[in-house]
Amino acid sequence: DQQVKQNSPSLSVQEGRISILNCDYTNSMFDYFLWYKKYPAEGPTFLISISSIKDKNEDGRFTVFLNKSAKHLSLHIVPSQPGDSAVYFCAASARREKLTFGTGTRLTIIP
Amino acid sequence: KAGVTQTPRYLIKTRGQQVTLSCSPISGHRSVSWYQQTPGQGLQFLFEYFSETQRNKGNFPGRFSGRQFSNSRSEMNVSTLELGDSALYLCASSLRLAGDEQFFGPGTRLTVL
Repeated sequence: DQQVKQNSPSLSVQEGRISILNCDYTNSMFDYFLWYKKYPAEGPTFLISISSIKDKNEDGRFTVFLNKSAKHLSLHIVPSQPGDSAVYFCAASARREKLTFGTGTRLTIIP
Repeated sequence: KAGVTQTPRYLIKTRGQQVTLSCSPISGHRSVSWYQQTPGQGLQFLFEYFSETQRNKGNFPGRFSGRQFSNSRSEMNVSTLELGDSALYLCASSLRLAGDEQFFGPGTRLTVL
């Protein structure tokens, strides 16, 4: 049972435009959400997180939006840069016990 | 501060063998989690250790086991290897809670022939 779903395996965006990555979850107990970025041959690196008491969190070019009623979160990257090309994973936890990851979305930024 | 290190980086084994992977967390981090990454499956949670005790376990067979030492270093072991165990095994550490921001090592690429 995949509790965290990333339904788009891949996404291509032109440099300078906005990249929007989506994630859906089914477990209503999840109260903390994170986004990770992964380059080939490296481990995932933390990007940004959001608690369920918020609906938006920003960090530079990265903004995460949380819609609890729809059990949906999204990551916006503005403007997109070539170095943003990577696989993006969303993750969720309940009571900070463990992280449950989605299957990832491969983002390609086209110069 | 040094990051999470994993050894070895690459490993080739044959079916039926066993393997031990090692992970050194960031200094001061007491929680260590292990994940298996395969194409199309994302990161599947194996188990988490805190203060030498397994605190949480994923849905993997008993062939997968782990332990944590007093210095927080961790090892995972896979016995009776199967072809389907070929994957990238990632270790991550966090200060205290496994559901907080975790810092990942580069992973060990295991190939089972």
